Amino acid sequence: DTEVTQTPKHLVMGMTNKKSLKCEQHMGHRAMYWYKQKAKKPPELMFVYSYEKLSINESVPSRFSPECPNSSLLNLHLHALQPEDSALYLCATRGGTEAFFGQGTRLTVV
Amino acid sequence: GNSVTQMEGPVTLSEEAFLTINCTYTATGYPSLFWYVQYPGEGLQLLLKATKADDKGSNKGFEATYRKETTSFHLEKGSVQVSDSAVYFCALSEAGEYGNKLVFGAGTILRVKS
Repeated sequence: DTEVTQTPKHLVMGMTNKKSLKCEQHMGHRAMYWYKQKAKKPPELMFVYSYEKLSINESVPSRFSPECPNSSLLNLHLHALQPEDSALYLCATRGGTEAFFGQGTRLTVV
Repeated sequence: GNSVTQMEGPVTLSEEAFLTINCTYTATGYPSLFWYVQYPGEGLQLLLKATKADDKGSNKGFEATYRKETTSFHLEKGSVQVSDSAVYFCALSEAGEYGNKLVFGAGTILRVKS
């Protein structure tokens, strides 16, 4: 199984809503990542989890809250987002030297 | 810090043309190098990789060689197809105290016309 599965594929939320993005992998990888990608730009790293512990937070605003309940799951909790947070949110896992990405969640904040 | 520079796009080619997308990097040590491809509306897919100098990564007709002397990892394909139209990202793997990170280039849009 070489898939990284993200849900939902699309999400529209208001600025006062609370929502969560989910990522699941069954590759046995112990490093998991959240990236944010704006249109026509490369992905920007947000968070890194290593062995279910947060190891890197790239100065992400607190309205984004990551969680790693177990080695297969990674969540990103969203609260009080701004329209400029609209983007493609990508989850990735790392095994060895390479990273494997999910299909992403297209988030629109209205 | 480490960085990756890609040629600007978009690159527009006719079907069956030869493709080169230039990528150079700046890094301390000897990072692993990657090409990722992103089709419209999708996530990133690993296209190929090289982990040490003179390694050649190849996949689906695409090739890239890790050149330490020129700090380059140019992507080539002998005959492109319309289905190759996508955004291509060159990246290096950066090892840090708190974990490994990917450093991406800006991406190059490829458009192939039939």
